[in-house]
Amino acid sequence: DTGVSQDPRHKITKRGQNVTFRCDPISEHNRLYWYRQTLGQGPEFLTYFQNEAQLEKSRLLSDRFSAERPKGSFSTLEIQRTEQGDSAMYLCASSPWISGRAIPGELFFGEGSRLTVL
Amino acid sequence: EDKVVQSPLSLVVHEGDTVTLNCSYEVTNFRSLLWYKQEKKAPTFLFMLTSSGIEKKSGRLSSILDKKELFSILNITATQTGDSAVYLCAPGVGTYKYIFGTGTRLKVLA
Repeated sequence: DTGVSQDPRHKITKRGQNVTFRCDPISEHNRLYWYRQTLGQGPEFLTYFQNEAQLEKSRLLSDRFSAERPKGSFSTLEIQRTEQGDSAMYLCASSPWISGRAIPGELFFGEGSRLTVL
Repeated sequence: EDKVVQSPLSLVVHEGDTVTLNCSYEVTNFRSLLWYKQEKKAPTFLFMLTSSGIEKKSGRLSSILDKKELFSILNITATQTGDSAVYLCAPGVGTYKYIFGTGTRLKVLA
């Protein structure tokens, strides 16, 4: 399977604990996104990487959230001191970037990591 | 502030009906718009629209974009129970970012 993979698929944690999610994008895609989705809502943009550079982070994201993509391949999203409001599905997506093309390509989503904070 | 509004929020129809889902947007530096179908898992890609007035079709689904009036529609003809899902639209902001609407929840009854 060469799609976007995310791990773990489900995480239950107690309030105050740290959690980390991993995303492996499609190998030839150099654009990587994290979105968060809660029940009844569409995916909410969190952050975007082009290769290893984090080019945008949503201003809605608190300092407890951090993401990395150290070698321009897989990415991690860490949430420190989790709160109940962090409970959501965390979706990773990747997209190819074609040099000289001004229009972004479609997003290919992973199955998501569902976080439940007790 | 960038904004996406989808309507209706939910819709219940019977098999064989035709439905039209709406997506209006106000975003800076618009480039393209995506439509996705989401069942109980990750969104799956349906269409990418970049030009006004050019209909994209895939089987019973079709979509069109109006860049002057800032909206897109997704049509589904001869609906089937397997079309039951949430349909999401996502206009692109600039050269890399997409923002999603709340979605339209479609339920097709047998």
